[in-house]
Amino acid sequence: SAVISQKPSRDICQRGTSLTIQCQVDSQVTMMFWYRQQPGQSLTLIATANQGSEATYESGFVIDKFPISRPNLTFSTLTVSNMSPEDSSIYLCSGQLEGEAFFGQGTRLTVV
Amino acid sequence: AQKVTQAQTEISVVEKEDVTLDCVYETRDTTYYLFWYKQPPSGELVFLIRRNSFDEQNEISGRYSWNFQKSTSSFNFTITASQVVDSAVYFCALSEAGAGRRALTFGSGTRLQVQP
Repeated sequence: SAVISQKPSRDICQRGTSLTIQCQVDSQVTMMFWYRQQPGQSLTLIATANQGSEATYESGFVIDKFPISRPNLTFSTLTVSNMSPEDSSIYLCSGQLEGEAFFGQGTRLTVV
Repeated sequence: AQKVTQAQTEISVVEKEDVTLDCVYETRDTTYYLFWYKQPPSGELVFLIRRNSFDEQNEISGRYSWNFQKSTSSFNFTITASQVVDSAVYFCALSEAGAGRRALTFGSGTRLQVQP
């Protein structure tokens, strides 16, 4: 199994600013993903964080808005850029290892 | 493309009642994983179970049980003798094992309210 530490756990941000969310895994995982959960909705995949290369984004998500880094097998960051109130959501990182899927505690973002 | 359907948006029961949460999935892969997660109001995802596509044995864990039926592409979750602490949103999810597509696809979730 793996434990994922995600921070910050919550933040309130001004529109137009950016927030970087960090995820640290306590073991090397083969794959890492970032999800968004808008209020009252299910989880939607933003992108797959690829180690040492550009992330793979899902339809509707772009690198300029959600730049992602993954410098090694245990760490990844997601930046929410030029935020607007519509970006208010819970953002979760996930790591997968041998079919198991582990999630961080989530970052509850409110944009005002 | 993979898809997970949780047709029940919200269920309300009285404590000690049994309740079943439905999950139907679609996938073209022969190898895949199915998951159930619980999300309490605090927001974190609590892992409940993972089942791979080759293991159709039903599983029981305390008051929780899962019924996996490949013939109907369903993976239903039953809580026996529900308690107020079971109140949460429950998500069913699917992950295909093929290379390049291992992220989880989530259903829309079922909100369970257990009244005292």
